[in-house]
Formats: sequence, C-alpha cells, structure tokens
Amino acid sequence: EPEVTQTPSHQVTQMGQEVILRCVPISNHLYFYWYRQILGQKVEFLVSFYNNEISEKSEIFDDQFSVERPDGSNFTLKIRSTKLEDSAMYFCASSRTGSNNSPLHFGNGTRLTVT
Amino acid sequence: QQQVKQSPQSLIVQKGGISIINCAYENTAFDYFPWYQQFPGKGPALLIAIRPDVSEKKEGRFTISFNKSAKQFSLHIMDSQPGDSATYFCAAGTAGNQGGKLIFGQGTELSVKP
Repeated sequence: EPEVTQTPSHQVTQMGQEVILRCVPISNHLYFYWYRQILGQKVEFLVSFYNNEISEKSEIFDDQFSVERPDGSNFTLKIRSTKLEDSAMYFCASSRTGSNNSPLHFGNGTRLTVT
Repeated sequence: QQQVKQSPQSLIVQKGGISIINCAYENTAFDYFPWYQQFPGKGPALLIAIRPDVSEKKEGRFTISFNKSAKQFSLHIMDSQPGDSATYFCAAGTAGNQGGKLIFGQGTELSVKP
C-alpha cells in the first residue's frame, strides 16, 4: 500500500537555525498538509496546499513557516528561525481529492528538537 | 467553536471488554467525523469515519455512534484486544474539495490488559 514518507525521522537544531522537513506524499494525491503534535498533546493543523498554493493555514503558521513543492514528488516545510516552542512531531499528510471521500494519509512524522 | 473535546484522557480495559471514547463538538458546520489510531512512533491512521446523516457506523469491532442534536459522537471498541492499545483521536472536518483540514481532539490513551 502506498504511503507518505517523511525525512528525517529526527532533527535536532539550535534555536534560530533554519530547518527543512521533507515529505513525499502518495503519488496520485493532490492535496498536501502539515500538522504538528507537541509531546503529549493533540494533533494540530498547520497548513493545506493544493495546486501549488496554500489553501488554508492556521494561526500557528506564521511568517516563520513556509511550504513548497519544489518538484513533482516532494513537499517541504521550512521553519526560518526555530524557537524552543517549535519542538514537536511534524506530520505530513496527503489526500487524493481533499474531500471527505478521500481521507488523509499521514506519514510517520519528523521529531524536531530545538535546543 | 473550532474545538473538539475528547474524553477520557486515558482508559484501561480488560481484554474482551468494551472501550468507549467520547467526543463533543460545537461547530455545526462540521460534517465529517473520523477516528484515528496512533501507535508510538507512527503517524495517525484512519480507523473509521462517519457523516452526520447516519447515527451509527460499524466496521468489524469498531462502531461510531453519532448524536447530531447533542453534537456528540463516540467510538466503541468491542472485544478489546491488547493489540488495540494505542492513542485514539477523534476529529472533525467540513466537506469541500479544498478541505481536508481536521480539528483533532486531545486523544485517549487506551491500554488493554491481557
């Protein structure tokens, strides 16, 4: 069964550094998402992306965050200047159509640790 | 308005018992209610989902009950097994071709004792 793959599985960075989290969505999916989960807390929506542009973003997704689909397979989340509170598990997800008939498929996440 | 409240936070059930997890929402625009199962080190995986035009949906040992007037829905796991031990998240979303944004509950850590 096709799956969403994320790299790296764990990223450690110093406060103020830029990080790029990478995702390869399922190949025939058109809608892409980033969610995050702070340790022990709920999964929170960050951003949705369709047709090479952001469809919707949450309050968390401020100017420090950006997303990009640099080629036909990768989907990236960039944090320009990381803060301690950015430490979390970041999940990429994809959906074939973005509607309820096409559920979200999540990757296994990237654990980001900001020191 | 956008919150989904989930309870209990943790649940311990004996093997063979029934696990029940409850969720409540406020936003009446929500029309899609999935449940996700998450094992340690893994991403959430869709378990079962329901729309508000039905009051119950069953898939194997997993059943969602939905009460539209009360704005509540619940997950029932019949004949719970140790392999069901995981964190369960309810979620809510709205239809639309550019949607897919889900609001998640806080999660319930289920432990099924052998």
